[in-house]
Amino acid sequence: DQQVKQNSPSLSVQEGRISILNCDYTNSMFDYFLWYKKYPAEGPTFLISISSIKDKNEDGRFTVFLNKSAKHLSLHIVPSQPGDSAVYFCAASAYNAGNMLTFGGGTRLMVKP
Amino acid sequence: EAQVTQNPRYLITVTGKKLTVTCSQNMNHEYMSWYRQDPGLGLRQIYYSMNVEVTDKGDVPEGYKVSRKEKRNFPLILESPSPNQTSLYFCASGPTGGPYNEQFFGPGTRLTVL
Repeated sequence: DQQVKQNSPSLSVQEGRISILNCDYTNSMFDYFLWYKKYPAEGPTFLISISSIKDKNEDGRFTVFLNKSAKHLSLHIVPSQPGDSAVYFCAASAYNAGNMLTFGGGTRLMVKP
Repeated sequence: EAQVTQNPRYLITVTGKKLTVTCSQNMNHEYMSWYRQDPGLGLRQIYYSMNVEVTDKGDVPEGYKVSRKEKRNFPLILESPSPNQTSLYFCASGPTGGPYNEQFFGPGTRLTVL
């Protein structure tokens, strides 16, 4: 059973508006979460992360929110740009698992001009 | 330029014909890993290596082998490929020493097994 789930396979947003990508997890041992962005024909690239001791982390237009009680995190992109169109993967890690990452299924974001 | 390289980028083969996908990184990372990406399933870990001569199974190791004889290289070996191994494969590397470390991914290898 998937321990990290992204229930929306795709999302379409107008340029300039907010994009919200969601991720749910089941393993309570996860305490570090990352978002990766993937363009076609390229490998995933790291975007932003958050530790479980925080509930929010911001980097420019990207903000990740973590709700530990709900085992839910979300990535907000404001304002969305056409260059943000990509597949976004949520990943989780546990302290005692070192580098090991468990990924969600991905959400394809399309930002329309 | 710091990078992870994979070869080949595309491969079409037939069932049972042994193949190797190479992976190399120039960042002196201790940790290396192989993933496969399938629609709706995200990236699933096949094997990983914490350092030279140290490898371990990930979530989906069946049908794959790896070796880590040098720090920079981590080849993925399919001794007898089958159609269910048709997938997009990514190699990744990262530093160790802390509990959480970002992984850097290669560009991917699209494998089709007929």
